[in-house]
Amino acid sequence: DSGVTQTPKHLITATGQRVTLRCSPRSGDLSVYWYQQSLDQGLQFLIQYYNGEERAKGNILERFSAQQFPDLHSELNLSSLELGDSALYFCASSVLTGNTEAFFGQGTRLTVV
Amino acid sequence: DQQVKQNSPSLSVQEGRISILNCDYTNSMFDYFLWYKKYPAEGPTFLISISSIKDKNEDGRFTVFLNKSAKHLSLHIVPSQPGDSAVYFCAAIDRGSTLGRLYFGRGTQLTVWP
Repeated sequence: DSGVTQTPKHLITATGQRVTLRCSPRSGDLSVYWYQQSLDQGLQFLIQYYNGEERAKGNILERFSAQQFPDLHSELNLSSLELGDSALYFCASSVLTGNTEAFFGQGTRLTVV
Repeated sequence: DQQVKQNSPSLSVQEGRISILNCDYTNSMFDYFLWYKKYPAEGPTFLISISSIKDKNEDGRFTVFLNKSAKHLSLHIVPSQPGDSAVYFCAAIDRGSTLGRLYFGRGTQLTVWP
């Protein structure tokens, strides 16, 4: 158990819909990262938050957004969903930014039908 | 722009033999490298890391080698066991950056057969 909790584990939704993925980082970790893993793809970095502030953006679509709340949990919002958004979405957390390894949650498997 | 590359999508090794997984990177600012292991339906788990000031780091059956001049690192697993069958991701980070983002390769599926 990495200490990072992601909910839900599985999500099936229709095209055009909006979903919210939730991540609770390890206790004490201030940095939260979101990654997407599509079929045959590596881990694509989406976005990073540190202590409530956005720190870095990767290959995140405009239809996607995220935030980190005062209690440090984070949510990834995916809207106007398309079939191609079906993927595993991972959240990771670390104590600082850039100085230690990140610990991953078990992921949310999103299926858009 | 793939700054970390794992050119072998798969590797098959017999139990008891050595598994060697390779990784190349392009960004000379990377100064810390990590290997993650991922089983199906689970998140990646940290396996071993190496700082750019070293060229080797060992942890039990796992050894990571870093060749900075070639921008290449490798993970050696000796002896390989069936439980090692998983996807292995190489990752790199520029600790001097305020961003702290991990850059991942696409992964190598290791299969260890009896």
